[in-house]
Amino acid sequence: GENVEQHPSTLSVQEGDSAVIKCTYSDSASNYFPWYKQELGKRPQLIIDIRSNVGEKKDQRIAVTLNKTAKHFSLHITETQPEDSAVYFCAASKGGFKTIFGAGTRLFVKA
Amino acid sequence: SQTIHQWPATLVQPVGSPLSLECTVEGTSNPNLYWYRQAAGRGLQLLFYSVGIGQISSEVPQNLSASRPQDRQFILSSKKLLLSDSGFYLCAWVSRESGTEAFFGQGTRLTVV
Repeated sequence: GENVEQHPSTLSVQEGDSAVIKCTYSDSASNYFPWYKQELGKRPQLIIDIRSNVGEKKDQRIAVTLNKTAKHFSLHITETQPEDSAVYFCAASKGGFKTIFGAGTRLFVKA
Repeated sequence: SQTIHQWPATLVQPVGSPLSLECTVEGTSNPNLYWYRQAAGRGLQLLFYSVGIGQISSEVPQNLSASRPQDRQFILSSKKLLLSDSGFYLCAWVSRESGTEAFFGQGTRLTVV
């Protein structure tokens, strides 16, 4: 069945450094790739997304890249801050029909 | 605006007892609805999804069932809970029109004792 793999499971960076989280998906028909941030005990919330007809998208310190051929997509956070510490999930879906999530990456930003 | 309500927020149940978690969506019609489970420190596992009233697809064999008696109501149930059913349960909806962002309920933390 459909699968989304996410790496690393844990990432620790120094404040101000960059963080990169990578995902691969199995279903080549997937066309929407969102990223969610989940703070401790709270619900996941969308932080950025990309559609399959776009290769890169940026929103301030956050950017996402997509390689459709390789079925890879990545989240890049620059100039990390302590408030970026959370669990990040990538996901893939076909028009929102069945959103499959990666296993999550726990990001620690050390001050 | 659209909102999603999920309750209860916390639940402690003995092994063998029944379960009923409810989720309702307001402000939209014909949403795709989902139940996810998140074990402690783990990812989001898709349990059930529904594209319409009475239409339920199960992703993993398990001790749980789901029902959608109304367009904007999604219920997660169990007849007899197991210890392994403990976890954080999240309901979510996705607009069928946009097919994009998933909006999550507040979650239910279930502890089976």
